[in-house]
Amino acid sequence: DAGVIQSPRHEVTEMGQEVTLRCKPISGHNSLFWYRQTMMRGLELLIYFNNNVPIDDSGMPEDRFSAKMPNASFSTLKIQPSEPRDSAVYFCASSRDSARGNTIYFGEGSWLTVV
Amino acid sequence: GESVGLHLPTLSVQEGDNSIINCAYSNSASDYFIWYKQESGKGPQFIIDIRSNMDKRQGQRVTVLLNKTVKHLSLQIAATQPGDSAVYFCAENKGSGANNLFFGTGTRLTVIP
Repeated sequence: DAGVIQSPRHEVTEMGQEVTLRCKPISGHNSLFWYRQTMMRGLELLIYFNNNVPIDDSGMPEDRFSAKMPNASFSTLKIQPSEPRDSAVYFCASSRDSARGNTIYFGEGSWLTVV
Repeated sequence: GESVGLHLPTLSVQEGDNSIINCAYSNSASDYFIWYKQESGKGPQFIIDIRSNMDKRQGQRVTVLLNKTVKHLSLQIAATQPGDSAVYFCAENKGSGANNLFFGTGTRLTVIP
């Protein structure tokens, strides 16, 4: 079975540019998560969706960040405008549903560098 | 200036030895815990989980122990192999939903052939 699929795997962009990260969750999974991993802060939850609806976006750093899930098989995380401090690995993850005990499966990550 | 960041604890073990990775969690109300393995350049991979009504759970070559009294979690890997080299994270679920998954800083395990 295909796991969580993320694109692009690597992106280098200039400060001020818009960045769009894409995610396809595991088929049949109803919950989708966006995490960010940095050396400074470790692995942090940015936002999560349940049944395509954003449930908790309290981890989104600021208004420059936005996430959408137009359907059950696709989500985007957008940064506009991007800044060097946004450089990180962004992981998308999914689980069968939002109940505790459902394993969260991670994608391979999108490695973002903003110069 | 001084570099500030997460300083990962490290553990080096000889191939074939057993490894024990420790984790302290923060919330006494947490009742679900997970261990993840993250290899270089990859996403975290689920290893094993345990609920707070258990003290021990075994998987294939891995055992998780939970001590709720001191809020301590450990992951034991038997007969450690070079492929076990990775960063290991414990995560606790503090609430009622899967979203309330908080990750520790991780431990880097290096297996010496």
